[in-house]
Amino acid sequence: DAGITQSPRHKVTETGTPVTLRCHQTENHRYMYWYRQDPGHGLRLIHYSYGVKDTDKGEVSDGYSVSRSKTEDFLLTLESATSSQTSVYFCAISEGANQPQHFGDGTRLSIL
Amino acid sequence: AQSVTQPDIHITVSEGASLELRCNYSYGATPYLFWYVQSPGQGLQLLLKYFSGDTLVQGIKGFEAEFKRSQSSFNLRKPSVHWSDAAEYFCAVESGSSGDKLTFGTGTRLAVRP
Repeated sequence: DAGITQSPRHKVTETGTPVTLRCHQTENHRYMYWYRQDPGHGLRLIHYSYGVKDTDKGEVSDGYSVSRSKTEDFLLTLESATSSQTSVYFCAISEGANQPQHFGDGTRLSIL
Repeated sequence: AQSVTQPDIHITVSEGASLELRCNYSYGATPYLFWYVQSPGQGLQLLLKYFSGDTLVQGIKGFEAEFKRSQSSFNLRKPSVHWSDAAEYFCAVESGSSGDKLTFGTGTRLAVRP
């Protein structure tokens, strides 16, 4: 399995609080991605990174920001969490364009 | 924009029966296509991929998929289903101007009857 670690694995927090999710890889892959998974929607891309300090928006980026200061770490931040951001969040990595993505085990985030 | 349709939300098959999961895509050029499987509480695992060449692609766990350009389809098949195949299956197509993103279907949940 690809070396991808997501932390925390579970988190419960309150509306309006900031939340940061971390994705750490040991594969030295260039691309990293954040998705959210909701029933009936499959996986939807939030943000992705194609190198250190190089990031771009995905399909559902509103309310989220990301940072990548090192190849191995990709952080997803909810500046002020809302109940609509309750979801399961997955990180993925890939070697490059048109290459398969490999997924972490997910973070289950509940916002009350 | 690229899109993926998985018309079947839920499928139930008997153990030992054959399986076909449908996937239709919308893409302007020759697509890069993927099938992933997700067991409960886990991330997605790559089953197989199609980039070019032979339209019948073999994957892990005894799965195969056939790319049919004329039908814009990439259906997943397995000749004999095992109880451990119960999971959710996602089809995906490359997207983005640089092919550096994936667009996923909404998934098909497979149940296996003993």
